This record gives sequence, C-alpha cells and structure tokens, in this order.
Amino acid sequence: AQSVTQLGSHVSVSEGALVLLRCNYSSSVPPYLFWYVQYPNQGLQLLLKYTSAATLVKGINGFEAEFKKSETSFHLTKPSAHMSDAAEYFCAVRKDSGGSNYKLTFGKGTLLTVNP
Amino acid sequence: KAGVTQTPRYLIKTRGQQVTLSCSPISGHRSVSWYQQTPGQGLQFLFEYFSETQRNKGNFPGRFSGRQFSNSRSEMNVSTLELGDSALYLCASSGNYEQYFGPGTRLTVT
Repeated sequence: AQSVTQLGSHVSVSEGALVLLRCNYSSSVPPYLFWYVQYPNQGLQLLLKYTSAATLVKGINGFEAEFKKSETSFHLTKPSAHMSDAAEYFCAVRKDSGGSNYKLTFGKGTLLTVNP
Repeated sequence: KAGVTQTPRYLIKTRGQQVTLSCSPISGHRSVSWYQQTPGQGLQFLFEYFSETQRNKGNFPGRFSGRQFSNSRSEMNVSTLELGDSALYLCASSGNYEQYFGPGTRLTVT
C-alpha cells in the first residue's frame, strides 16, 4: 500500500525566503507523485506531478520538486516566498499502474504561513 | 475547457437524513473520484467511477454510495447522516494521469 508523510504540519517563512515543504512516500511499486495547493474554502489545485520522467519537476507559480528514490522523498521548494503562497499544501501518491488507477493517497497537509 | 463543477456548494442536514451531492467532470473525462476532507482525518478516498462502473472503493461504510451516468456526471449519496459526516466532499475528474478537483461541497450535519 502507498503512504505519504509530510513533515511539519505548519511551516512559517518570511516573504522572499526559501520555501521547503517535505514529503516522504512509501510505495511498493514506482509511484506517481503530486503536490496540490488548497486555498481557504476552495478545492485542490495541482502544482506539479512526477510521472517517472525527469526527477526535477517544475510546476506552476515558481514551485519545483525533486524526486529522490534513494531517500523516498519528493520535497517541494520555491526560491522566494510571496504572500500569495500562503495556503495548505498536500503531497499525494498514486500507484503507477498505467491509466487504470486514479486513487490518490494524501499526506496530512502542511499549512504555509508567509510573514511580511 | 470548463472545470469540475460541484453542486450544491453548501448544505446543512440533520442527523438521520440522507443527502445527494453532484459532480460534473471536465468534458471528455470518464473517471470521477470522490474524497472526504475533515480536519481530523484529512483527505480520504471514497470511490472512483469509470464509464459508469465503480473501479475503486475506499474504506467507508455502506451508507456512502455513488453512481455515474452515461454523460460521466456523478452523484454520491450518504444515507442516515451522522455528525461525523460533516466534511468537505471533493470530486475529482481524471485524465492524462492528472486529477482536477472541483471546489467541493461543504456538508454540515446538525
């Protein structure tokens, strides 16, 4: 079974500082990995995905994540935080079984606060 | 393309009642998944439908059910509501190895 652990339920950074949100996964087979962002009272928006192509994945809004198989990690980073980045971020894993499985397993989420 | 739409956006029900939530996926997408989001349990997978057939199911009691129509629109039903069913219910439309989420239906059970 797949699982995801997000280290830190709350991360606080200053505007302009580096954002680092940690995600470790457990999967018995090669996974697909995703980062989603959720703003208050909204659904989830896909930031980026890893699907076994390049290990460094670039997403929207300046975010990127690196897949490290040896560390079973998929940490999300952004060089310079903006006030509009304040939201909750979720890491998710999906077993790579071709196109027949869209069940996502989510981490508990990390709430990002950006201080002026 | 229009995004995923969910109706209603907010709902208040009483314990013991039943409720039906609706989801319209992105045009051309044949897979629809449902998730429950609560502060305590986080995001949990309910079920997935593909071409009107349930393909995956999460670990929820039988009070939670769903269906999908020939136009890919999906409904989920919760019978005999309990206080613990209060949550944000998210629908996701899937295609090209990505899932696109709707804004959710906020269900409050009193």
